[in-house]
Amino acid sequence: DAGVTQSPTHLIKTRGQQVTLRCSPKSGHDTVSWYQQALGQGPQFIFQYYEEEERQRGNFPDRFSGHQFPNYSSELNVNALLLGDSALYLCASSFRVGREETQYFGPGTRLLVL
Amino acid sequence: GNSVTQMEGPVTLSEEAFLTINCTYTATGYPSLFWYVQYPGEGLQLLLKATKADDKGSNKGFEATYRKETTSFHLEKGSVQVSDSAVYFCALSGNSGYALNFGKGTSLLVTP
Repeated sequence: DAGVTQSPTHLIKTRGQQVTLRCSPKSGHDTVSWYQQALGQGPQFIFQYYEEEERQRGNFPDRFSGHQFPNYSSELNVNALLLGDSALYLCASSFRVGREETQYFGPGTRLLVL
Repeated sequence: GNSVTQMEGPVTLSEEAFLTINCTYTATGYPSLFWYVQYPGEGLQLLLKATKADDKGSNKGFEATYRKETTSFHLEKGSVQVSDSAVYFCALSGNSGYALNFGKGTSLLVTP
């Protein structure tokens, strides 16, 4: 059973460019969440997608947007890249049963903005 | 809002030593609590979880008990191994939201 997969593994961009990161959830999961992890810090919640809609959003600017497809996979788009966007971007998938939801993480995409 | 506070690292222990990593939280209602582990260059792996007060999560020799009276979820292991060297994150998921709130992480180095 494949876990959460993300692509690409590494990416280098320059300021002002746009980037798209991709995530495929664990089999049986219908929810995808995205997190940004700066070096030496804990992950920060960007947003969560469920039924192809953004269900909850963290404190990130509109430059960060996403999409979920009918097969539950997801994309994270970041426009007008800033140096401060350099981080590890983590995708997590889950399936909620009542109040319980456990998020399982992929290996991440490491983005470097020059 | 919800928040998690972890003891600062790095923590350096000799192999077979006892490990405690402290975690306290602030949240309304009854959050679910998690410990995740991150090995160098990798994503996060779920280590254990607890969803209600007095629950004990356990996995691979690690344990943590959900203490509502002290709003804590301390991670313990009786005898650490070199392979346990990693960064450990405490996290919570609140009643009304779906996001995980993480602590800053505690780096553990176990030496032979």
